[in-house]
Amino acid sequence: SQQGEEDPQALSIQEGENATMNCSYKTSINNLQWYRQNSGRGLVHLILIRSNEREKHSGRLRVTLDTSKKSSSLLITASRAADTASYFCATDNNQGGKLIFGQGTELSVKP
Amino acid sequence: DSGVTQTPKHLITATGQRVTLRCSPRSGDLSVYWYQQSLDQGLQFLIQYYNGEERAKGNILERFSAQQFPDLHSELNLSSLELGDSALYFCASGRGVNTEAFFGQGTRLTVV
Repeated sequence: SQQGEEDPQALSIQEGENATMNCSYKTSINNLQWYRQNSGRGLVHLILIRSNEREKHSGRLRVTLDTSKKSSSLLITASRAADTASYFCATDNNQGGKLIFGQGTELSVKP
Repeated sequence: DSGVTQTPKHLITATGQRVTLRCSPRSGDLSVYWYQQSLDQGLQFLIQYYNGEERAKGNILERFSAQQFPDLHSELNLSSLELGDSALYFCASGRGVNTEAFFGQGTRLTVV
């Protein structure tokens, strides 16, 4: 079963625009992580935000976490064609450390 | 390159057969996770090991089993294979149990 649900399922934007993806989850968490997957390849870890953190930055990525609403968002600023990929949120709800992934958002950045 | 090595990359086998997927974690990582990714089910957590011990279990079928060896590499055994077992199987490793995971490139299993 999935813990996180990403929204939207698909997003298409032009290069240079910002992309925002949202993730909602159901149970309390230890941390929430975002991953990227290029078609058929392994997932790449982007950023981890702990339950006591509200915002985190890494390069062009900005992640927010609202534990009261059980939601997180990933913002990619000044997108590039190379950002085209599927983006997944994953929650660690402190049940032994397992990461439960959502269904992902498919991002397409057009040059 | 994540540093996680999975073999084989591709596997085609017949229904009813048994296969073993292998994973070498990043140097120094103690946790190993196994995931199954299919179009209809998404990324499903199967099982996690930490330093040789089973740590967490997901929706892993009874026909599937896994273990982590003293050298920390892990194997996922899939038996009595069915067409529906066709999927990408990912291994990931991490330093601890509440840390980021680093994924291998996956094994694409096709059951015919």
